[in-house]
Amino acid sequence: QKEVEQNSGPLSVPEGAIASLNCTYSDRGSQSFFWYRQYSGKSPELIMSIYSNGDKEDGRFTAQLNKASQYVSLLIRDSQPSDSATYLCAGLSGSARQLTFGSGTQLTVLP
Amino acid sequence: EAQVTQNPRYLITVTGKKLTVTCSQNMNHEYMSWYRQDPGLGLRQIYYSMNVEVTDKGDVPEGYKVSRKEKRNFPLILESPSPNQTSLYFCASTSGQYNEQFFGPGTRLTVL
Repeated sequence: QKEVEQNSGPLSVPEGAIASLNCTYSDRGSQSFFWYRQYSGKSPELIMSIYSNGDKEDGRFTAQLNKASQYVSLLIRDSQPSDSATYLCAGLSGSARQLTFGSGTQLTVLP
Repeated sequence: EAQVTQNPRYLITVTGKKLTVTCSQNMNHEYMSWYRQDPGLGLRQIYYSMNVEVTDKGDVPEGYKVSRKEKRNFPLILESPSPNQTSLYFCASTSGQYNEQFFGPGTRLTVL
């Protein structure tokens, strides 16, 4: 059974702070990882993808992947109230290219 | 504009009345999926399709059917809906090169 686990939260940070979201996965065959942001009642929106060990930065977002520890994280710098949403971690594995999602971490950025 | 569309966006129906939720993408992607999202259970894959006429079960396929007669369309069929299929449904389309999955706007289904 492939599993992706996220710290369930909720997580609250003050505006301007760094939000840290974490995810672990059980399938060592997972090849790629994705972070989605989902506002209440809306569809998931892809914000970051990461395919190799290390860090990947895109604007205020940094994704980190450590395959040895089976750990993925997302850092959001200078958090804004508009970042308040549920963040979903997903791992891709297998020839069928199936995505397995974590249950999500709800983030609230307080003004 | 690259997008995944779903219709209808909202649907209230009764037990046993067959329904179809349509999904269409304009990105020429081969891989498409259907998910349902329920509180506390997250996103679970129902069915996926790797190409035209190639479909396979995901994690929760019971009570659902799909078809893939052309690349752009991937409808989800509920032959005899039941109340436990009340959920938020998402269609998704995956890019070939980077396996990035893009979601449609969602269909909120209520089965009475």
